[in-house]
Amino acid sequence: AQSVTQPDIHITVSEGASLELRCNYSYGATPYLFWYVQSPGQGLQLLLKYFSGDTLVQGIKGFEAEFKRSQSSFNLRKPSVHWSDAAEYFCAVGNKEYGNKLVFGAGTILRVKS
Amino acid sequence: EPEVTQTPSHQVTQMGQEVILRCVPISNHLYFYWYRQILGQKVEFLVSFYNNEISEKSEIFDDQFSVERPDGSNFTLKIRSTKLEDSAMYFCASRTGLGLYGYTFGSGTRLTVV
Repeated sequence: AQSVTQPDIHITVSEGASLELRCNYSYGATPYLFWYVQSPGQGLQLLLKYFSGDTLVQGIKGFEAEFKRSQSSFNLRKPSVHWSDAAEYFCAVGNKEYGNKLVFGAGTILRVKS
Repeated sequence: EPEVTQTPSHQVTQMGQEVILRCVPISNHLYFYWYRQILGQKVEFLVSFYNNEISEKSEIFDDQFSVERPDGSNFTLKIRSTKLEDSAMYFCASRTGLGLYGYTFGSGTRLTVV
């Protein structure tokens, strides 16, 4: 079965500092990988996704993620965090072998200090 | 950009009452999903629907839940007799027939059972 691990429940970074949120997945073949952001009480906003091709994926709001097959990872990065980036971030994995449903990680809450 | 529309955005209901959550998927999408997110927890798959029948359901999706596509545009989730533990954010999603391309979530319905 597919599974997603986000090892960090909370992360605090200073505004302007770089950010890396970790995501590890468990799946035999190449999965489809997603990062979503959620503000409190709000819906899910897609930041970026990886299906195939270039392993470095660019997304919205200056985010990027790198797929590393050897490490089963899809970490999200941003070179300079803004206070408005404070939110909860979810990594998700899906594949047609599992009915194309998405399996989400537990999320990482990002706090930004000024 | 096409959107998945969910109504209402927030619903409060008495325990034991029936509720229907409504979704209008993107018009050319073929596969439809419901997910649930209990407050403070991760997003969980409930059910997938294709060609007017359930494709897959999770163990959460017990007999008190049902889904329907009553016409060409709506996709509904019914909870027959709500329990306190059904309080959650419910997300609808839809996608095209091409794998996970175009996978789009609605903004969610927050269900509060009192």
